[in-house]
Amino acid sequence: QAVLTQPPSVSGAPWQRVTISCSGSSSNIGQNSVNWYQQLPGKAPKLLIFYDNLLPSGVSDRFSGSKSGTSGSLAIRGLQSEDEANYYCAVWDDSVSGLVFGGGTKLTVL
Amino acid sequence: EVQLVESGGTLVRPGESLRLSCGSSGFTFSSYPMSWVRQAPGQGLQWVSTISTGGGDMYYVDSVKGRFTISRDKYMLYLQMHSLRAEDTAVYYCAKGYFNDLSASLDYWGPGTLVTVSS
Repeated sequence: QAVLTQPPSVSGAPWQRVTISCSGSSSNIGQNSVNWYQQLPGKAPKLLIFYDNLLPSGVSDRFSGSKSGTSGSLAIRGLQSEDEANYYCAVWDDSVSGLVFGGGTKLTVL
Repeated sequence: EVQLVESGGTLVRPGESLRLSCGSSGFTFSSYPMSWVRQAPGQGLQWVSTISTGGGDMYYVDSVKGRFTISRDKYMLYLQMHSLRAEDTAVYYCAKGYFNDLSASLDYWGPGTLVTVSS
């Protein structure tokens, strides 16, 4: 059972906006920044968001992140078929001195 | 161009040992923490271990403590695995820290190497 809680699946029509939540605790999200990863089928994960809401170079600005208290959120606007993937949140957890991932959310573009 | 390539994954029997390697290029390897992350078949991502820039600090998920050892040299990252169990079966990824301090920001990942533990 993952330390960070994500919905197992979300879906949306092309061009719509979807959000994926990530719920944690005071020892992880409450203390450290949230990161988001996209994993396309059969591929290695790719960093989408770091420091709660910053985008690495080359990542589309259709992706955005936010954090409030012990929860983080990933938003994807203007959904495209290429966005179909699994999305994971990740945070450094001070209580275990390690990195923790959410269970992952499968995004389906209808 | 930053590149990471894992090697060493194979089929082993329960209780056996295995060493994974991760070769790097395109960045100053010694300046960044490095991590191993694994993914069991059909499952999510699980962090395994992180090593600091100088190699003096190592961190492990509880399930591998005492069995796995992470290490690094000038250009390579390693994961020595002992007493392997069926639940260690996974694709193992090596990943580069985005910053030179410990965090969950991993900006480059290798393609992964498959470790299968089965009798």
